[in-house]
Amino acid sequence: ELKVEQNPLFLSMQEGKNYTIYCNYSTTSDRLYWYRQDPGKSLESLFVLLSNGAVKQEGRLMASLDTKARLSTLHITAAVHDLSATYFCAVVNGGATNKLIFGTGTLLAVQP
Amino acid sequence: DGGITQSPKYLFRKEGQNVTLSCEQNLNHDAMYWYRQDPGQGLRLIYYSQIVNDFQKGDIAEGYSVSREKKESFPLTVTSAQKNPTAFYLCASSSQRTGGERYEQYFGPGTRLTVT
Repeated sequence: ELKVEQNPLFLSMQEGKNYTIYCNYSTTSDRLYWYRQDPGKSLESLFVLLSNGAVKQEGRLMASLDTKARLSTLHITAAVHDLSATYFCAVVNGGATNKLIFGTGTLLAVQP
Repeated sequence: DGGITQSPKYLFRKEGQNVTLSCEQNLNHDAMYWYRQDPGQGLRLIYYSQIVNDFQKGDIAEGYSVSREKKESFPLTVTSAQKNPTAFYLCASSSQRTGGERYEQYFGPGTRLTVT
């Protein structure tokens, strides 16, 4: 059974600092997704990572995928308050269903 | 504009009543999903459907029912058998066709259900 773990679960950081959120998954998958959720809102797609070594960047966020290590990272550079949200990674559960299995989420709070 | 709509945005019901949440998509996606989210928690899959007239239970299907009579629509009924129905409900859809967006789930705005 595919399991997806994120850490940390909660991250409080100061504006201007850098940090990384980690997403580990337990079985082979070559597709990984990152989503953002603002309080009380739905999920918004951030990145789609489709192959080993894939790297995507948007503004202060950069996501990467290492399928051999079964690890994805979401790196935050020079954080700003607007990045405060909950971030979820999700991995395709292969086989007949091809459902997404979501991580537990990382609540990011960027303090001024 | 293509997208997923959910209605209503907020729903209040008395305990013991069944309630149906609407989810419609015009993305021509084959698969649709229902998730439940409790405060401060992640997503839990209730039901999903990969094709019209077929659906499967997710991890927490007890007390819920769905139908998929049309490709665009996947309504969720929260029955009186669901012990703790108050939650945020999210509907999503995805394409099963080959290509970069395959399996990527697009989410509706959600319905916040409160049962008293």
